[in-house]
Amino acid sequence: EPEVTQTPSHQVTQMGQEVILRCVPISNHLYFYWYRQILGQKVEFLVSFYNNEISEKSEIFDDQFSVERPDGSNFTLKIRSTKLEDSAMYFCASRTADQETQYFGPGTRLLVL
Amino acid sequence: SQKIEQNSEALNIQEGKTATLTCNYTNYSPAYLQWYRQDPGRGPVFLLLIRENEKEKRKERLKVTFDTTLKQSLFHITASQPADSATYLCALERRRSGNTPLVFGKGTRLSVIA
Repeated sequence: EPEVTQTPSHQVTQMGQEVILRCVPISNHLYFYWYRQILGQKVEFLVSFYNNEISEKSEIFDDQFSVERPDGSNFTLKIRSTKLEDSAMYFCASRTADQETQYFGPGTRLLVL
Repeated sequence: SQKIEQNSEALNIQEGKTATLTCNYTNYSPAYLQWYRQDPGRGPVFLLLIRENEKEKRKERLKVTFDTTLKQSLFHITASQPADSATYLCALERRRSGNTPLVFGKGTRLSVIA
């Protein structure tokens, strides 16, 4: 069964450094999302993406964040200058155009020191 | 303000019993509601979706009900097994159309004791 994949599974970085989190959505999916989950808290929406542009973003998704679909398969989340409070699990999700269900990847655990 | 609340943070039940988890929401009019399972350190895994015009949905040992008047969904696991131990998340979409994100509850951590 097709799956959303994410790399790396874990990333440790120093405050102020840039990180890029990578996702490969399911191949026939057209809508893409990033969510994050701070330890012990709920899953929170960051950004949605369709047709090579951002559809919607939350207030968490400030100027330090950006997303890109550099080719036909990858979907990336970049944090330009990481802060301690960016430490969280980051989940990528995707879905088809005609189904409501979003399929989530296994996540990248980001730790900012 | 808009809220999604899952009735308890943790629920312990005996193996073989039925687990019932509750999701209540305020100030939303969702077209559908979804339930996900999340294991520690893993991503949410889709279980069931129920639409606003549906009262009940079943899949194997799982059953979801949706009452848009009460603004509540109930999620049942019958004949529960220790392997059902996980956190269960309720999620709904914020709007009816377009590329809409999911809004999640905090989840209920279910422990099934053998």
